[in-house]
Amino acid sequence: EDKVVQSPLSLVVHEGDTVTLNCSYEVTNFRSLLWYKQEKKAPTFLFMLTSSGIEKKSGRLSSILDKKELFSILNITATQTGDSAVYLCASNTGNQFYFGTGTSLTVIP
Amino acid sequence: DAGVIQSPRHEVTEMGQEVTLRCKPISGHNSLFWYRQTMMRGLELLIYFNNNVPIDDSGMPEDRFSAKMPNASFSTLKIQPSEPRDSAVYFCASRPGQLYGYTFGSGTRLTVV
Repeated sequence: EDKVVQSPLSLVVHEGDTVTLNCSYEVTNFRSLLWYKQEKKAPTFLFMLTSSGIEKKSGRLSSILDKKELFSILNITATQTGDSAVYLCASNTGNQFYFGTGTSLTVIP
Repeated sequence: DAGVIQSPRHEVTEMGQEVTLRCKPISGHNSLFWYRQTMMRGLELLIYFNNNVPIDDSGMPEDRFSAKMPNASFSTLKIQPSEPRDSAVYFCASRPGQLYGYTFGSGTRLTVV
């Protein structure tokens, strides 16, 4: 059965902390892994990862994919209150997207 | 637990026709979300419900789109009339509360020709 599992389910940290969000996947015909930030309104696309070991970076956010161990991590350094959101991970097989449950991140001032 | 159930899995329809997508959330989940996924626009939140009440429908693209949740176990997303640019994968997701994770359905792939 194809699935994507995210951990932890929720996280509460203080401003300035570094967090690591995990996403593991078991899907057939894997093509890419995507990370989104879901705030009150629409999800914001963060990263798409297709190759193992190549880190993608955007400001304080970075992500990497391990296709051998079938997981990805999303790192956020020096967290800010504006980082509070649900972070969704999805695996794309070309025909199908499989979403994880999301990790709810709360950053306390 | 059967998860979030969406139907149909695939639909191909002609422009101008009415399309109804269906979603059955997980029992006990009081929030339900409709998303649309396209190559051009990525993942978009269309509307979400809390306790069957629409909370935010600002993501609904235009008046041709409407969503209802007549009870806690069923929701529909209707497009009337459909247009080719509505072609996308439509996902439904539910969760038991704000502090909990989402469970996504398998999606409905809509093609409007």
